[in-house]
Amino acid sequence: EAGVAQSPRYKIIEKRQSVAFWCNPISGHATLYWYQQILGQGPKLLIQFQNNGVVDDSQLPKDRFSAERLKGVDSTLKIQPAKLEDSAVYLCASSLVYVTEAFFGQGTRLTVV
Amino acid sequence: GIQVEQSPPDLILQEGANSTLRCNFSDSVNNLQWFHQNPWGQLINLFYIPSGTKQNGRLSATTVATERYSLLYISSSQTTDSGVYFCAVTNTGNQFYFGTGTSLTVIP
Repeated sequence: EAGVAQSPRYKIIEKRQSVAFWCNPISGHATLYWYQQILGQGPKLLIQFQNNGVVDDSQLPKDRFSAERLKGVDSTLKIQPAKLEDSAVYLCASSLVYVTEAFFGQGTRLTVV
Repeated sequence: GIQVEQSPPDLILQEGANSTLRCNFSDSVNNLQWFHQNPWGQLINLFYIPSGTKQNGRLSATTVATERYSLLYISSSQTTDSGVYFCAVTNTGNQFYFGTGTSLTVIP
């Protein structure tokens, strides 16, 4: 069974530019999560989807971050415009439903210069 | 939201030693997972353990949901066990939160 796929693996952009990350969850998984992990810290939940509906986006900086999950499968996370403090690893995860085991992709390492 | 605290924050072990990592959480949970983050940043699933005890090779975990804690045991540690260990919980609001992590270094 294929795991959670993310792309790109690495991205370097200048501040004020925009960037987008893509995630393809495990087939059949209804719940999808985006996390931000700053170096030396634990992952912080940005947004959680159930199918194509948002369950929790309370920690998503909505002035610059947006995410969508069209058709309840793939998801994209966008940052526009990027700031230096957005440098982090962005992790995508999926699970069958809320309370079942979650699986993570390899992440996208973003560096903003 | 729910608070998830892990201890100790850092741990250095000699190869072959045993260790216990702890995860405390501030509210009722209906899911708990332990992960190992390797040096390349990949989060590897160790246990899905909302309650009870599970074992997988040299690793085992116990969750006592009524007392709001979970323990991860590592026996006969190896250098490949090095990395950061996270617990993560889903609360009754179905939100998934990570703990603060324990950084483990196993020296030969």
